[in-house]
Amino acid sequence: DGGITQSPKYLFRKEGQNVTLSCEQNLNHDAMYWYRQDPGQGLRLIYYSQIVNDFQKGDIAEGYSVSREKKESFPLTVTSAQKNPTAFYLCASSIDTRGGTRGLNEQFFGPGTRLTVL
Amino acid sequence: DQQVKQNSPSLSVQEGRISILNCDYTNSMFDYFLWYKKYPAEGPTFLISISSIKDKNEDGRFTVFLNKSAKHLSLHIVPSQPGDSAVYFCAASARGSQGNLIFGKGTKLSVKP
Repeated sequence: DGGITQSPKYLFRKEGQNVTLSCEQNLNHDAMYWYRQDPGQGLRLIYYSQIVNDFQKGDIAEGYSVSREKKESFPLTVTSAQKNPTAFYLCASSIDTRGGTRGLNEQFFGPGTRLTVL
Repeated sequence: DQQVKQNSPSLSVQEGRISILNCDYTNSMFDYFLWYKKYPAEGPTFLISISSIKDKNEDGRFTVFLNKSAKHLSLHIVPSQPGDSAVYFCAASARGSQGNLIFGKGTKLSVKP
């Protein structure tokens, strides 16, 4: 089955610790994204990557880091510098929209990871 | 400043009736709009989209209307079913944005049997 997987579903960490959230896709999509959702809020973009070995900051990148060493994988690290890390984290992917062709392609989302800082 | 606004946090509708979810936007560069449906503790699923060259797109029970002059779009669900109960997010994308989406805060739809 093609899709996006995120693991784990629930994650707990102690304050001051870094934690890495996994995101894998087998849709052969070039673009991948990380969002966070807080109660009563929309999805806010943390980081995105249009191609392997390249990524860009989104609207709320502070306290987060990412890597894109493989097309299929886009892990997100929540560092101790993130002041309010407890949230629901969503990974998404879409067909590449580079090269001036913005493309009318929807983003496909994974099931999410609920991170709680204790 | 919110570029995509869903001013109704919640909406309650009787089964079989029409549900109308509204979305307003401020950025005139937006030219592609999407609606997503989300259940608690799950990722959003794509419902329907519309390009700014159209004013209506229909897919089964779901129809999206776009009024560019008013910078307003709406999602109509007819007839509404209890399984439609979820949070609905409006999202928009602008030219040159590399496909990045700006999301509204969502509207929670409850369809009562």
